[in-house]
Amino acid sequence: QQQVKQSPQSLIVQKGGISIINCAYENTAFDYFPWYQQFPGKGPALLIAIRPDVSEKKEGRFTISFNKSAKQFSLHIMDSQPGDSATYFCAASKTSGSRLTFGEGTQLTVNP
Amino acid sequence: ETGVTQTPRHLVMGMTNKKSLKCEQHLGHNAMYWYKQSAKKPLELMFVYSLEERVENNSVPSRFSPECPNSSHLFLHLHTLQPEDSALYLCASSQHSAKPNYGYTFGSGTRLTVV
Repeated sequence: QQQVKQSPQSLIVQKGGISIINCAYENTAFDYFPWYQQFPGKGPALLIAIRPDVSEKKEGRFTISFNKSAKQFSLHIMDSQPGDSATYFCAASKTSGSRLTFGEGTQLTVNP
Repeated sequence: ETGVTQTPRHLVMGMTNKKSLKCEQHLGHNAMYWYKQSAKKPLELMFVYSLEERVENNSVPSRFSPECPNSSHLFLHLHTLQPEDSALYLCASSQHSAKPNYGYTFGSGTRLTVV
């Protein structure tokens, strides 16, 4: 059973545009929601994370928006750059345990 | 480097070979994971070790055999693999505790090709 659903599967954005990736979860016990970024030939790396006590977290051009009632969270990449081209994974876990449940991944391509 | 080192980076092996993948973490974490990443598929959790004890095995074929001799090292022993086992094998570590979770740290993976 897929507990974290991610969309879209792939995304093409022009340089300077906004990239938006969405995730929905089922387990209401989840209280930690990270996003990982993976470049070809590398392992996923933690990009940004949020806890449900806030509705938004911003780090530079990357913002997580969190909607607890809808059990959804999304990643927004402002002023997208070709260097942002990568695969992005959302994930979720419970604070009391470290097992992460990952989404299916989104392959982002930012055209120059 | 992320603090999680995987070797080798690339491995080509025949279906009758025996090889091992190695993972080492320098972060003081107490949980380690093996994931399989195939093209156009989600990350597949294979094994979880917490405090050196295997706590999860997601119906992985017996031709994959994990070993965790201590909290810093994790191995994946491979034998009589199939071509469909060709994938990127990722190791990750985390701190398993009741304290706030800071997620996983992944290694760069081993690109395995079975011929």
